[in-house]
This record gives sequence, C-alpha cells and structure tokens, in this order.
Amino acid sequence: GENVEQHPSTLSVQEGDSAVIKCTYSDSASNYFPWYKQELGKRPQLIIDIRSNVGEKKDQRIAVTLNKTAKHFSLHITETQPEDSAVYFCAASRRREKLTFGTGTRLTIIP
Amino acid sequence: DAGVTQSPTHLIKTRGQQVTLRCSPKSGHDTVSWYQQALGQGPQFIFQYYEEEERQRGNFPDRFSGHQFPNYSSELNVNALLLGDSALYLCASSQQGAETQYFGPGTRLLVL
Repeated sequence: GENVEQHPSTLSVQEGDSAVIKCTYSDSASNYFPWYKQELGKRPQLIIDIRSNVGEKKDQRIAVTLNKTAKHFSLHITETQPEDSAVYFCAASRRREKLTFGTGTRLTIIP
Repeated sequence: DAGVTQSPTHLIKTRGQQVTLRCSPKSGHDTVSWYQQALGQGPQFIFQYYEEEERQRGNFPDRFSGHQFPNYSSELNVNALLLGDSALYLCASSQQGAETQYFGPGTRLLVL
C-alpha cells in the first residue's frame, strides 16, 4: 500500500520568512495530493491540493510543487504570519480512494 | 450550507464497551470516509461508504464496523473497546467522482 513520509516533524521560522515542508510517497499510481492544516483541537482543513497532471499550484501565500518522477511534493508558505502556526499534514491517494497521510509537521511562527 | 457534522463531540467509555459515532456529510456529498487520529499522529483510514456499501477498508479489525443510510449520513461502530482505541475519530465527506474530502470536527473518544 501507499506510504507517505513527511519532513521535518517540527519547524520554527521567523514571522515574514518562508516555510517549506516536504513529503515523499511510494505508490506511483497516486494522483491526488492534498495538504491539510490542523489547529489544536480543530478539524483538518484543506488548504491546497494538486493533481498529478500539474507540476505546481499557487494560492496567494501558499504553493505546492509536485515531482512525479521523484515521487515527492512540497508545501511552500511565504511571508509567514502568526496564524500560520499549526500542524500541517500532506496526503496522497489514487483517484477517489482513501487518503494516506504523512506524520505531520508542527509549524511555529516566531513573532 | 452546513459542513460536515459529527456527534457526539466527546465520549468516555470503559474497556469492553461498545460505541457508536455519527456523521452527517456536507450538503451535496454522497461518500463518507472515517479516519482514526491518535494523539500526535496523522489520520489513519478506517473505511469508506458509498451507496450504503463499504467500498474500501483500511487495516482495522472487524471490531470496527459502519453503516451508511439513504440520506448519506453514516455511523461508525466499535465493539469490545480497547485502551488503544482512544483517539479522535474523524469523518470526511466527498462527492462521488471527486477527490476532495472535507473533514468534520471529530469525536474524541477516551477509553478507560
């Protein structure tokens, strides 16, 4: 089955700097890669996703890149703000099937 | 437009008991997936329901069972509870044919 690895497990950045979180996946048939943000005690919220026919996607300060050959994808957050502090999860799936999640990255923005 | 809702929000049970958790999908969604999230870990897939049938199942024992009703709402049942079943149980809904899954707020289960 699919295995998703996520790094780093914790990340602290100064407010205004950029943050990068990286994930690798094992199943070459996976074609959908969402990123979720989970604040303490809250539900995971979808922040951005990418499909395998696209190499990069951007939404304001958030961007995701996908390298299908290397089977890795990354989340980039620019101009970080205190409200970006949360746990971020990457995930992978085949079309319409289960999501396999990474282990999460705790991002802390230092004011 | 209501999002995904779950009940109850919190639950305390003792070992050996049985529990039923409930989920109502987002309006217009017909597929429900259940995940278990242990403290400090990512969600783990339990199973997915579509057209009232279990379509896909993760690596969970038969003590975990589910049901989907004609109105697309769903239940997760766990029998013979173990201490290790303590976790946040998340329901996610999606539209058939679409990959995007939206999560509910979860039910936090504590087994003593």
